[in-house]
Order: sequence, then C-alpha cells, then structure tokens
Amino acid sequence: QKEVEQDPGPLSVPEGAIVSLNCTYSNSAFQYFMWYRQYSRKGPELLMYTYSSGNKEDGRFTAQVDKSSKYISLFIRDSQPSDSATYLCAMSVYNQGGKLIFGQGTELSVKP
Amino acid sequence: DVKVTQSSRYLVKRTGEKVFLECVQDMDHENMFWYRQDPGLGLRLIYFSYDVKMKEKGDIPEGYSVSREKKERFSLILESASTNQTSMYLCASSVQGGPGANVLTFGAGSRLTVL
Repeated sequence: QKEVEQDPGPLSVPEGAIVSLNCTYSNSAFQYFMWYRQYSRKGPELLMYTYSSGNKEDGRFTAQVDKSSKYISLFIRDSQPSDSATYLCAMSVYNQGGKLIFGQGTELSVKP
Repeated sequence: DVKVTQSSRYLVKRTGEKVFLECVQDMDHENMFWYRQDPGLGLRLIYFSYDVKMKEKGDIPEGYSVSREKKERFSLILESASTNQTSMYLCASSVQGGPGANVLTFGAGSRLTVL
C-alpha cells in the first residue's frame, strides 16, 4: 500500500463547477500537508499549505485536513478553464523539511 | 524570472550510456532535490542535498548518483542508463529548516528516453 493515495482521474467538469480533490494517507506522523499544481510541460508549483488539522482558504481554493481520518481535500469553487492541470497532494513529517511524499496526482480538465 | 533551471528539456540516450542531468537555482537555497515523475506513481524522491558536497538517498536511489560541488548546482548522474529509467526528472530547491523547507520550487523538468 502506498503511503499516500490519490485518485489519478482524469476528472472533467464544466466551468463554474465545484471541484473536490482528495488524498488519503497511512503515516500518522505526517504534519505538513500541501497541494501542488502542475500545468502541462511545467514543474509543480505550491498552491496550498497547511499544518496539522483544519481548513485554509485562499480565494477560490480551500484545503482541508482531517488527521483523525487521515484524509485531506482540496476544493475549487467556480472552477475556470485555467484551473485545468494536474493536482498533486504532498505531505511531510515534522523536522524532515523538503522530503515530501507525493500522491499520484489528479488530472483535472475544466470545460468552457 | 527563471529560478530553477534544468539544462536539458528532452534527451534521448542509449542503454548503457552515462547521462548527466544538470540543475541550477538562483535563489540561494540550501536544499536541492531530484525527483522522478511517472504516470500512476506521482513524484518519487531520488536524492537530496542539504548542503554543498552533502547528499542523502531518497526513496529510489538505485542506479543514480548525484554531485553538489557548488551551492547553486545539483547534478543527477545515471552511470549506465537502462530503459526503466525512461522518465520525467524534476529538480527542486527550498530553504533549509522550518516549514519553508517544504515549499519546493521546481524546474520545468527533463524528459529522458532510454532506448
């Protein structure tokens, strides 16, 4: 079993839809949770970053962490064609900065 | 505004060749990483470095080595390329210590095909 599981999709939604992306994990030592976005032929870039449990909102994006269920989510409201990309969840344990464990990535397509 | 530069975007090599992938960052970051990205597997850490001349194995170091002679440059070496090393290779860097160490800045990637 992988440490971090993510449905690879692909996921296709109409413009304006609410998108929910999810990851589950098995290592209870994970403390830092991130979502990276990767456009085609580009490297990933950090989108959202949370520590421990809770929610974080940034514009149309909301990241949720439920450590009791070992489950993290990324919600995208009012999705736009420019949101079409691969979304990668990533996690790390405390004091091992930079050694991230990534999910498989979910390919999202937002249709106009 | 380029911050992490991977010198080769596309390479085609033959089995058994020695391959060098170069990465340079201009952000004065202490940490540098090499990941490979494969469909269905996500990103997997090959090697990382917290300082000049320092290296540590990641999750899949077999068949690879690295070199970091200068702070800004981190090279990945395939001593004898094999077809199962056909992949996208991503270099990244971050600051050292604290939560900021998890904020990785990635290069655009080097797609290697081994025939």
